[in-house]
Amino acid sequence: RKEVEQDPGPFNVPEGATVAFNCTYSNSASQSFFWYRQDCRKEPKLLMSVYSSGNEDGRFTAQLNRASQYISLLIRDSKLSDSATYLCVVNRDQRGSTLGRLYFGRGTQLTVWP
Amino acid sequence: GAVVSQHPSRVICKSGTSVKIECRSLDFQATTMFWYRQFPKQSLMLMATSNEGSKATYEQGVEKDKFLINHASLTLSTLTVTSAHPEDSSFYICSARAVKKQGPPDTQYFGPGTRLTVL
Repeated sequence: RKEVEQDPGPFNVPEGATVAFNCTYSNSASQSFFWYRQDCRKEPKLLMSVYSSGNEDGRFTAQLNRASQYISLLIRDSKLSDSATYLCVVNRDQRGSTLGRLYFGRGTQLTVWP
Repeated sequence: GAVVSQHPSRVICKSGTSVKIECRSLDFQATTMFWYRQFPKQSLMLMATSNEGSKATYEQGVEKDKFLINHASLTLSTLTVTSAHPEDSSFYICSARAVKKQGPPDTQYFGPGTRLTVL
């Protein structure tokens, strides 16, 4: 089973729409959670961390449910510039090591059209 | 914010040649650097974890003799793809973990990636 599962989409929405992405992770020992954004042929960039209490950054809201190992990202009032692939990422320590490593989902592709 | 550079950004080479990719942390020290590979429409897959001054730790299925990693300083790690073949064509991305005081302890900063095409 994959460490992180995401619906690959694509999601095609008009400007101004609200869109939600979901993600599940398989290992309950995962410690920290993130959403990254990746534009075509570019490196991933951190969008926001995700906390159990839920957190918001402008039009973006992220939620974490540790009990069900589920992460979500909500984008309100979509802009054309939001078009990208959104990667669900979890971090957990490796056995026998103090180093954490990141596990990436395949990403969910979003296209916002005018 | 923290900046990581990669060089070259793009490389095209003949089958059988070796290609070296550099990853540098420009404004912070990175004790740990990570090398990822991403095939089209796939997730980033960790290839190896590189710690300054020690041998890299490779993920299962990644050949250490084919993908040579050197992390000689706190700001530079290199990945050499030896005897490259067409199936090695991919997007190679490095990331660096800041020592401290650069965001949360588990923040990784990504380089812009190197697109390798092996003919």
